[in-house]
Amino acid sequence: EPEVTQTPSHQVTQMGQEVILRCVPISNHLYFYWYRQILGQKVEFLVSFYNNEISEKSEIFDDQFSVERPDGSNFTLKIRSTKLEDSAMYFCASSAMSPLHFGNGTRLTVT
Amino acid sequence: AQSVTQPDIHITVSEGASLELRCNYSYGATPYLFWYVQSPGQGLQLLLKYFSGDTLVQGIKGFEAEFKRSQSSFNLRKPSVHWSDAAEYFCAVASNTGKLIFGQGTTLQVKP
Repeated sequence: EPEVTQTPSHQVTQMGQEVILRCVPISNHLYFYWYRQILGQKVEFLVSFYNNEISEKSEIFDDQFSVERPDGSNFTLKIRSTKLEDSAMYFCASSAMSPLHFGNGTRLTVT
Repeated sequence: AQSVTQPDIHITVSEGASLELRCNYSYGATPYLFWYVQSPGQGLQLLLKYFSGDTLVQGIKGFEAEFKRSQSSFNLRKPSVHWSDAAEYFCAVASNTGKLIFGQGTTLQVKP
C-alpha cells in the first residue's frame, strides 16, 4: 500500500536556525497538509496545500513557516528561525479527497 | 466552530476485556468522522471512517464505531482487547474545508 514518507525521522537544531522538514506524499494525491503535535497535546492543523498554493492555514502558521512543493513530488515545511516552542512532532498528510493518510512524522527538537 | 471532545484522557483495560472509547463532536452539518491510532513513535493510522449510510462502521484490527447523531457521538469499540492495542487513539472530524480537527486523544493501557 502506498505510504506518505517523511524525512528525517528526528531533527535536532539550535534556536534561531532554519529547518526544512521533508515529505513525499502518495503519488496520485492532490491535497497536502502539515500538522504538529507538541508532546502530550493534541494533533494541531498547521496548513493545507492544493494546486500549488496554500488553501488554508491556522493561526500557528505565522511568517516563520512556509511550505513548498518544489518538484512535483516533495512537499516541504520550512521554519525560518526556530524557537524552543517549535519542538514537536510534525506530521505530513496527503489525500485524494478523504481520508487523510499520514506519515510517521519528524520529531523536531530545538535546543 | 467544529470541535471534538474525547472525555477520557487515559483508560486501562485488561486483555480480553471489551473497550469503548468516547468521542463527541460539534459540527453543524453531517459530519465526516474518523478514528486514528498512534503507536509510540509512529504516525497516525486510520482505523475507520464514517461518511454516510450505515451508522455502525467496521474498521481494521477488529474495531468498530457507531455514529449517533442524537448524541453527537462516535464511540469506538472493540469486543476483546489485545495487548498490541495499547496506543493513543484520536477521534477527528473533517471541517468543510477538508482539514481534520482532532480530539485530545485517549491513551489506552492494556493490563495482562
